Amino acid sequence: QKEVEQDPGPLSVPEGAIVSLNCTYSNSAFQYFMWYRQYSRKGPELLMYTYSSGNKEDGRFTAQVDKSSKYISLFIRDSQPSDSATYLCAMSAGGGFKTIFGAGTRLFVKA
Amino acid sequence: NAGVTQTPKFRVLKTGQSMTLLCAQDMNHEYMYWYRQDPGMGLRLIHYSVGEGTTAKGEVPDGYNVSRLKKQNFLLGLESAAPSQTSVYFCASSYRGGPTGELFFGEGSRLTVL
Repeated sequence: QKEVEQDPGPLSVPEGAIVSLNCTYSNSAFQYFMWYRQYSRKGPELLMYTYSSGNKEDGRFTAQVDKSSKYISLFIRDSQPSDSATYLCAMSAGGGFKTIFGAGTRLFVKA
Repeated sequence: NAGVTQTPKFRVLKTGQSMTLLCAQDMNHEYMYWYRQDPGMGLRLIHYSVGEGTTAKGEVPDGYNVSRLKKQNFLLGLESAAPSQTSVYFCASSYRGGPTGELFFGEGSRLTVL
């Protein structure tokens, strides 16, 4: 079993839809939870991070962490075609070199 | 404002050939990493370095070697390429001691081994 599980999609939604992306994990030592966005043929870029449980909001993006269920989510409100990308969840117990990535979910937002 | 630069961006090798991927960062980061990205597998850590002159194995180190002779550079070598090493390779760097360990990635190097 992988430490981090993420549905690879693809997920296709119309412009303006609310998008929900999710990951589950098995290692209870994870404390830092991140979402990276990767455009086609580019490197991943950090979108949001959350420490421990709770919610964090940044514009149209909301990250949620439920440590009791070992489940994290990224919500995108009012999705735009420019949001079309692969979203990778990532988590660590601390320190960049022990970051574990999910497989990534490909998202397509249709105009 | 270069950030992390990888060369070459594309390469085709024959089985058994050798090559070196070069990563350069201009952010004065202590930590540098090499990942490979394969469909359905996500990013997997090959080797990493926590400072000049140091290297360590990651999750999938077999068949690869690395060197960090200068702080700003991290080299990934394939001594005898195999088709299983066909992948997209990403170099990344991060600040030492950053709480999230935010990774800054290059744009990737696409390697095909025939």
